[in-house]
Amino acid sequence: GNSVTQMEGPVTLSEEAFLTINCTYTATGYPSLFWYVQYPGEGLQLLLKATKADDKGSNKGFEATYRKETTSFHLEKGSVQVSDSAVYFCALSQTSGSRLTFGEGTQLTVNP
Amino acid sequence: DTGVSQDPRHKITKRGQNVTFRCDPISEHNRLYWYRQTLGQGPEFLTYFQNEAQLEKSRLLSDRFSAERPKGSFSTLEIQRTEQGDSAMYLCASSPQVFGPETQYFGPGTRLLVL
Repeated sequence: GNSVTQMEGPVTLSEEAFLTINCTYTATGYPSLFWYVQYPGEGLQLLLKATKADDKGSNKGFEATYRKETTSFHLEKGSVQVSDSAVYFCALSQTSGSRLTFGEGTQLTVNP
Repeated sequence: DTGVSQDPRHKITKRGQNVTFRCDPISEHNRLYWYRQTLGQGPEFLTYFQNEAQLEKSRLLSDRFSAERPKGSFSTLEIQRTEQGDSAMYLCASSPQVFGPETQYFGPGTRLLVL
């Protein structure tokens, strides 16, 4: 079956540091890949997505590139802010109208 | 567009009681999903509706769980004879039916605590 593996957390960084959160997946064919973010006390929000190999999703300074050859979708940001502190979830969807399969989440804390 | 809403936001119940949660999707979204999230884990899929038809159910959805979407708008998730292991956040998401992969929009969740 489908699965998503994220790097273990929690991750603690200083403001303006570079962020990478690793995500690898197992799926057949060409799934769509997503990063969702959950801020404290709030619901899941879509951060970015990519629907085919070599696509780059980007939003709010975050980027992730769909790498079919390494089955990865790593999340990066060049300079994190305190307001980026949240839990980040990598997810995949096999087809339109199908379930999302999530990773276990990575807690990010950014200190001033 | 007021987003996906869920009610109640919190529920405390005693083991063995029945509980029912409601989800109101974004209007005109014909797809609706239920997920369960336990502490420190990612959400796990429970079930999926397209309009009023329940098209997929996870093995996680035991016989004590039932979900409905009678008019293709709001949905309810009922848990009968609750157990302590049912304590979790129950998330609802909706999406439009479009060609190609669509984004699922999540509600704030209902946090259930079974004592």
